[in-house]
Amino acid sequence: NAGVTQTPKFQVLKTGQSMTLQCAQDMNHEYMSWYRQDPGMGLRLIHYSVGAGITDQGEVPNGYNVSRSTTEDFPLRLLSAAPSQTSVYFCASSPPIGRIANYGYTFGSGTRLTVV
Amino acid sequence: AQTVTQSQPEMSVQEAETVTLSCTYDTSESDYYLFWYKQPPSRQMILVIRQEAYKQQNATENRFSVNFQKAAKSFSLKISDSQLGDAAMYFCAYRSANTGNQFYFGTGTSLTVIP
Repeated sequence: NAGVTQTPKFQVLKTGQSMTLQCAQDMNHEYMSWYRQDPGMGLRLIHYSVGAGITDQGEVPNGYNVSRSTTEDFPLRLLSAAPSQTSVYFCASSPPIGRIANYGYTFGSGTRLTVV
Repeated sequence: AQTVTQSQPEMSVQEAETVTLSCTYDTSESDYYLFWYKQPPSRQMILVIRQEAYKQQNATENRFSVNFQKAAKSFSLKISDSQLGDAAMYFCAYRSANTGNQFYFGTGTSLTVIP
């Protein structure tokens, strides 16, 4: 099924550990983003990419790295996990406006990350 | 940057009744797109409805409709004949037609449906 595949669904890390959240989409979407969702704060943009080889910072980029070597994949790396990074993480993709009619986000199923 | 405000952190509605969720946004752009997303307890984000700013007609999807007031920068969601499955967090979102096509989200409204 076409969509955004996000792994893992759950993860527990110890402070200082590193890990990569995987995100892949098979819809040939140029635009991909990573968000974190915290209670009462909605969705906050971490990093985004408008195409392969192009990434940029969002609202809360500190402590996270991304790369976009292919159109399909957009992994999010936590460099040294901290308890403040405990959150639910969403990957989302979209075509740019104008290419096709559906230009809303397609979201992955989310990753619940706990840093202890 | 554009801001999206949902001033109702929580709302409740009786089953079969109608409820309206509010959303306002701040922008200097004339071309943009607005969305409502639903997040049930499963955590999955689901697109409910979208509206193009250049269209005057309000979007409708079955029991869901919007009241888009461009001059007032208001984009409310009306849910008619509310069902238990409508219980969820609802997020309003703005997408710029310019500035990298970025999305901006509100903080969400938690909707409870009372049987």
